[in-house]
Amino acid sequence: DAGITQSPRHKVTETGTPVTLRCHQTENHRYMYWYRQDPGHGLRLIHYSYGVKDTDKGEVSDGYSVSRSKTEDFLLTLESATSSQTSVYFCAISESRSYSEAFFGQGTRLTVV
Amino acid sequence: EDKVVQSPLSLVVHEGDTVTLNCSYEVTNFRSLLWYKQEKKAPTFLFMLTSSGIEKKSGRLSSILDKKELFSILNITATQTGDSAIYLCAVENLVGRGAQKLVFGQGTRLTINP
Repeated sequence: DAGITQSPRHKVTETGTPVTLRCHQTENHRYMYWYRQDPGHGLRLIHYSYGVKDTDKGEVSDGYSVSRSKTEDFLLTLESATSSQTSVYFCAISESRSYSEAFFGQGTRLTVV
Repeated sequence: EDKVVQSPLSLVVHEGDTVTLNCSYEVTNFRSLLWYKQEKKAPTFLFMLTSSGIEKKSGRLSSILDKKELFSILNITATQTGDSAIYLCAVENLVGRGAQKLVFGQGTRLTINP
């Protein structure tokens, strides 16, 4: 299995609290992505990173921020969690631009109550 | 707006049956179409299709792309209970500065009954 770890794997938090999800890789891959998966929507891109300190927004970035201070870590932060952010979050990594070589993490199930 | 639509959304068949899953798309800057299998956790890669009419095959699974009509099908023959999963179709297209994103369909939940 590719060296990609998401933490925590499960989290329940209250509305209005900040939450940070971590994606850690040991593959030294350049590209990292955060997706969320909701019933009826498939997976949707939140933010992505081309490299250290180089990030950009995806299609559902409102309410989320990211940081990548090291190649191996890509953090997703919900500044003030809302119930609409209850979802399963997947991180993906890729050395090349092609997703045929990308690997997905095991996912983080976040519940905002 | 980029869009990927899968059908059916849910399918229940008996072991040994053959199934066909459909994926249609409308995206700008199309690069490729990918199929994933998702059991309980992370999606796992099945196929990547970039050219029309060329079938990709892996065991009992096969897939083909039609870039003129903007769709793809995934076939599974002689289905087994282990094929039960959500099958995701995604289209890869360019975003800023050379990165690529996947636009996913809703997925097809396939259940194989013994």
